[in-house]
Amino acid sequence: GAGVSQSPSNKVTEKGKDVELRCDPISGHTALYWYRQSLGQGLEFLIYFQGNSAPDKSGLPSDRFSAERTGGSVSTLTIQRTQQEDSAVYLCASSSGVGDNSPLHFGNGTRLTVT
Amino acid sequence: QKEVEQDPGPLSVPEGAIVSLNCTYSNSAFQYFMWYRQYSRKGPELLMYTYSSGNKEDGRFTAQVDKSSKYISLFIRDSQPSDSATYLCAMRAGAQKLVFGQGTRLTINP
Repeated sequence: GAGVSQSPSNKVTEKGKDVELRCDPISGHTALYWYRQSLGQGLEFLIYFQGNSAPDKSGLPSDRFSAERTGGSVSTLTIQRTQQEDSAVYLCASSSGVGDNSPLHFGNGTRLTVT
Repeated sequence: QKEVEQDPGPLSVPEGAIVSLNCTYSNSAFQYFMWYRQYSRKGPELLMYTYSSGNKEDGRFTAQVDKSSKYISLFIRDSQPSDSATYLCAMRAGAQKLVFGQGTRLTINP
């Protein structure tokens, strides 16, 4: 079946511009995560959606970052007034959310470059 | 101090060698422990998952958890060039977010 789909796969933007990154999770998965991976670094947690519960936004690095999940499916991560330090790979993952051990399935990420 | 510490490497070994990858953690509430493999320009994929202390084996891969020492390991036997990738440990407490280590970049030389 289809996996997690992210678009665009690559995005180059100028400093100060806003960007939107999209994630289509696996159908039926109730949990959705956004992580950021900088060059040579591990995965940095950004935000976590689980069903109808309030999202865990504790990882968002500044108020320039926001995310929403419409209809419990597609999610959009928005970065306003981009800075060069925002350059990274943004990874989305989904899980069935059933039980604490449900594995995360990752997309291939959006590679963001801020010039 | 990071919640999860992992040596980033890089680690380079000859084909057929046994590889040992390790992570330490500080949060005693972590209950679920995972290893993900990430190939270049791809998303991470789940390799191994363990819940309790002890060993879990799957083919050439063995995951080991020592909760008393807050230490987890992944062993790869008879390593192959196709095992060359970045290996990330990850762990969580209950239904909370998954916390990742920095990842170890591994190269298996033919």
